[in-house]
Amino acid sequence: GNSVTQMEGPVTLSEEAFLTINCTYTATGYPSLFWYVQYPGEGLQLLLKATKADDKGSNKGFEATYRKETTSFHLEKGSVQVSDSAVYFCALSGIVSGNEKLTFGTGTRLTIIP
Amino acid sequence: NAGVTQTPKFRVLKTGQSMTLLCAQDMNHEYMYWYRQDPGMGLRLIHYSVGEGTTAKGEVPDGYNVSRLKKQNFLLGLESAAPSQTSVYFCASSPAKYSSYNEQFFGPGTRLTVL
Repeated sequence: GNSVTQMEGPVTLSEEAFLTINCTYTATGYPSLFWYVQYPGEGLQLLLKATKADDKGSNKGFEATYRKETTSFHLEKGSVQVSDSAVYFCALSGIVSGNEKLTFGTGTRLTIIP
Repeated sequence: NAGVTQTPKFRVLKTGQSMTLLCAQDMNHEYMYWYRQDPGMGLRLIHYSVGEGTTAKGEVPDGYNVSRLKKQNFLLGLESAAPSQTSVYFCASSPAKYSSYNEQFFGPGTRLTVL
């Protein structure tokens, strides 16, 4: 079946540090890949996505590249801010029982300290 | 647009009590979903609906029922709450079948505690 494995958290970084959150996946076919972010007290919101191999998704300074050869979709940001503190979820979409569904990783809590 | 809204935001139940969580979306989306979020387990799909009047089981459907009588509403029911159902519940919607091209929009969540 489909699965997503994310870097264990929590992750604590200083402001302006470089961020990488690892995500690898197992899926049949050619899934689309997503990063969702959950700010404190809120629901999840889409951060970025990539729909085919070698695509790069980007938004708000975050980037992730769909690497089929390594089945990975690592999230990166060059210089984090306190406002980036949140929980980040990697997810993939795939066909399960004839319907397309999202499979989520367990989430990585990121805390940025000034 | 309000997007996806959920009521209530918080609830405490005793074991054996029943309740209904309401999800509403004003984006005219076809697909709606109920997830639960537990520490260390990410989000797991409980039930979903591909259109008005239809529902289907997700990954963890036991102990829950759902109804989609109107396109904009998706109700999640707990007939006899158990402590194992203590969780944060999220509703989501998406405009069409293929979530590869259509993101899911999430509500703010309902925090449920069953004593």
